[in-house]
Amino acid sequence: EPEVTQTPSHQVTQMGQEVILRCVPISNHLYFYWYRQILGQKVEFLVSFYNNEISEKSEIFDDQFSVERPDGSNFTLKIRSTKLEDSAMYFCASSLDRALLNFGDGTRLSIL
Amino acid sequence: KNEVEQSPQNLTAQEGEFITINCSYSVGISALHWLQQHPGGGIVSLFMLSSGKKKHGRLIATINIQEKHSSLHITASHPRDSAVYICAVDFNDMRFGAGTRLTVKP
Repeated sequence: EPEVTQTPSHQVTQMGQEVILRCVPISNHLYFYWYRQILGQKVEFLVSFYNNEISEKSEIFDDQFSVERPDGSNFTLKIRSTKLEDSAMYFCASSLDRALLNFGDGTRLSIL
Repeated sequence: KNEVEQSPQNLTAQEGEFITINCSYSVGISALHWLQQHPGGGIVSLFMLSSGKKKHGRLIATINIQEKHSSLHITASHPRDSAVYICAVDFNDMRFGAGTRLTVKP
């Protein structure tokens, strides 16, 4: 069964560095999403992406963040100048029709 | 202000019991999602609802748009149903509830 793949599973980065989290959505899906979950807290929406552009973004998704679909298969989340509070599990999801979402297993980001 | 409230926060049941998890929201929405988060952290989408009722196996989800309320029911619960169940609403973006941690004991 097709699945959403995220790499790496765990990323450790020094504060102030840039990180790129990678996702391969299901191939025929049209809608792409990033979410984060800080340890012990609820899931938070970051951004949705459709037709090669951001369709919605939350207040969290400020200038520190950017998304890209560089080659038609990958969907990346870039976090510039990371802060301690960026430590979280980041989930990518894709959907064919904005109905059911298919989530990746997540990337645990640890900022030191 | 939490726009999505779930109850209960924690729920322990014996195998075979009928489970109900509730979700109330305060904003006008286009759809509501029920998600399951496994102990390992992975998230699975169970239902998306915009009206009425949906059923998949032992899971049933209902929504009352006028009352801004949804319920997730599990019939004949099993220990493998133990997980965190999350309600999320499609507003301008997606707003998540804090989740209900379900433990089903054999």
